[in-house]
Amino acid sequence: AQSVTQLDSQVPVFEEAPVELRCNYSSSVSVYLFWYVQYPNQGLQLLLKYLSGSTLVKGINGFEAEFNKSQTSFHLRKPSVHISDTAEYFCAVSDRRDDKIIFGKGTRLHILP
Amino acid sequence: DTEVTQTPKHLVMGMTNKKSLKCEQHMGHRAMYWYKQKAKKPPELMFVYSYEKLSINESVPSRFSPECPNSSLLNLHLHALQPEDSALYLCASSLKFGAEANYGYTFGSGTRLTVV
Repeated sequence: AQSVTQLDSQVPVFEEAPVELRCNYSSSVSVYLFWYVQYPNQGLQLLLKYLSGSTLVKGINGFEAEFNKSQTSFHLRKPSVHISDTAEYFCAVSDRRDDKIIFGKGTRLHILP
Repeated sequence: DTEVTQTPKHLVMGMTNKKSLKCEQHMGHRAMYWYKQKAKKPPELMFVYSYEKLSINESVPSRFSPECPNSSLLNLHLHALQPEDSALYLCASSLKFGAEANYGYTFGSGTRLTVV
């Protein structure tokens, strides 16, 4: 079965600084990978997804992620964060045998003024 | 329409009550999902419906009863819940369910349920 690990439960970063949120996955088969964002008291919104093809994936709100098969990672990056990026970020994985999406424990991005 | 709409947004119910959560989408998606999310935890899959038929039940207690009356509507019927069932209940939909068809889910804003 697949699993996903988000190494950091919380990441503080100053406004306009770059940020990287780390995600590693485990699966015996090829996977689809996702990043979702959850703003306070809201549902989840899809930021970006990797299905196949180019390993650098660009998403909404200036975020991007890079799929690294050898390191089984899918880290999320943004070159300059804004206060509005304060949210919980979930990395998720789905293997290609079914459509179930399994979520990591989440990383809280805390923007410092 | 690119949204999943969940009602009500908040619900408080007693342990002997019967209530229902409603989820609606008009994107033509044929897969719909219920997730449960406890505070500061990731969402956990409860049920999957594909073409209005139950495909997956993740060993959810029978006090939760899902229903998919048509391709746009998904209900979750609640009966005799426990305080530990208090959580955010999220509905999601996707184009299809099954291998090679995973395009990501569209989530609703959730129903925050409190059982007293």
